[in-house]
Amino acid sequence: RKEVEQDPGPFNVPEGATVAFNCTYSNSASQSFFWYRQDCRKEPKLLMSVYSSGNEDGRFTAQLNRASQYISLLIRDSKLSDSATYLCVVNFGGYGQNFVFGPGTRLSVLP
Amino acid sequence: ETGVTQSPTHLIKTRGQQVTLRCSSQSGHNTVSWYQQALGQGPQFIFQYYREEENGRGNFPPRFSGLQFPNYSSELNVNALELDDSALYLCASSLGQGARANGYTFGSGTRLTVV
Repeated sequence: RKEVEQDPGPFNVPEGATVAFNCTYSNSASQSFFWYRQDCRKEPKLLMSVYSSGNEDGRFTAQLNRASQYISLLIRDSKLSDSATYLCVVNFGGYGQNFVFGPGTRLSVLP
Repeated sequence: ETGVTQSPTHLIKTRGQQVTLRCSSQSGHNTVSWYQQALGQGPQFIFQYYREEENGRGNFPPRFSGLQFPNYSSELNVNALELDDSALYLCASSLGQGARANGYTFGSGTRLTVV
């Protein structure tokens, strides 16, 4: 089975806090990994891809551990505008239904 | 480049009715994937169309059907609507059947409410 699980939310954090989201996936034969951000009542938008060596984009850091089938997203110095749902996505390879979303973790950054 | 566009943006239907949702793929893309996102859940794969043929299907009943046209635009049809069909329907286009190396780009979605 191809499943993606995420930390249940919601996460409520004060502005300036550091917050981390975790994601696990079921199938070791996975090709690529992504974090998407979804604002309320909007479509998901790609936040960042996740590379084996880990990657950083400003305040956002993504890590991948293939051995443990685990992905993480770290947000430093949280801003009010970071409030959204964060979706972990695993591309299990092949076609169609192999691009699988997790259920999402909702983040609320409070003033 | 022109992105993925979906229509209509919002729709209200009565239980038992039929609905057609439309998706125009990004220029140069030949594959369209449809997802259903219920409130509070992640998007669930419905099916994918590649060169006008269904190419993979998720766990959805036959009353969910689709089409892809020669210009690679696509329709999602749902018959005998049920209350649980209320959701955001998302479309993504790509070149080739697999997801792009940088993931999918989605249209803004159609929000369907069944009453």
